[in-house]
Amino acid sequence: KQEVTQIPAALSVPEGENLVLNCSFTDSAIYNLQWFRQDPGKGLTSLLLIQSSQREQTSGRLNASLDKSSGRSTLYIAASQPGDSATYLCAGIAGGTSYGKLTFGQGTILTVHP
Amino acid sequence: GAVVSQHPSWVICKSGTSVKIECRSLDFQATTMFWYRQFPKQSLMLMATSNEGSKATYEQGVEKDKFLINHASLTLSTLTVTSAHPEDSSFYICRAREGGFFGQGTRLTVV
Repeated sequence: KQEVTQIPAALSVPEGENLVLNCSFTDSAIYNLQWFRQDPGKGLTSLLLIQSSQREQTSGRLNASLDKSSGRSTLYIAASQPGDSATYLCAGIAGGTSYGKLTFGQGTILTVHP
Repeated sequence: GAVVSQHPSWVICKSGTSVKIECRSLDFQATTMFWYRQFPKQSLMLMATSNEGSKATYEQGVEKDKFLINHASLTLSTLTVTSAHPEDSSFYICRAREGGFFGQGTRLTVV
């Protein structure tokens, strides 16, 4: 059974800092890995999707890497801004007969203060 | 573009009543819909997987008689919380396997 763990659980940083959010998973047979953002009381916003054949994806100030052999993914946020404050979730996407099923980590609550 | 429309976005109901949550796929056919639940300050947990025209598959610990899932067409999957209790208060969200599109989520409060 896939288990996904995120570290740290919470992070508070001053504006402008570069930061790294960590995600680890137990089953290296994941199909894809996806990072989401969730604002309080809201749904999910997809940030980056890393397919199994890829090692990283970039979008603006965000960069996510995937190392299936070590069971790890990291989300790098450059030059953080107060608007980046949210909960960040990573999720492993299963393949095979469970194709499309997501297993979420507990999330990292990020606060960027001015 | 393709999207999953989930309604209602929020609902308050009395204990003992039933609440139906709908997820409609727009501009595409969703043969499989995943239903997730998120308790306050916790992550999303898969409740069940619904497949069009067949019975839903429930995750361990999820009461199938309490959370009724119907996927009668390729564009509509519903989750009905029966005899709701305050402990069922949660955020419920659906996701189509095709394209991975999420609904907007439903915040259920049972009073």
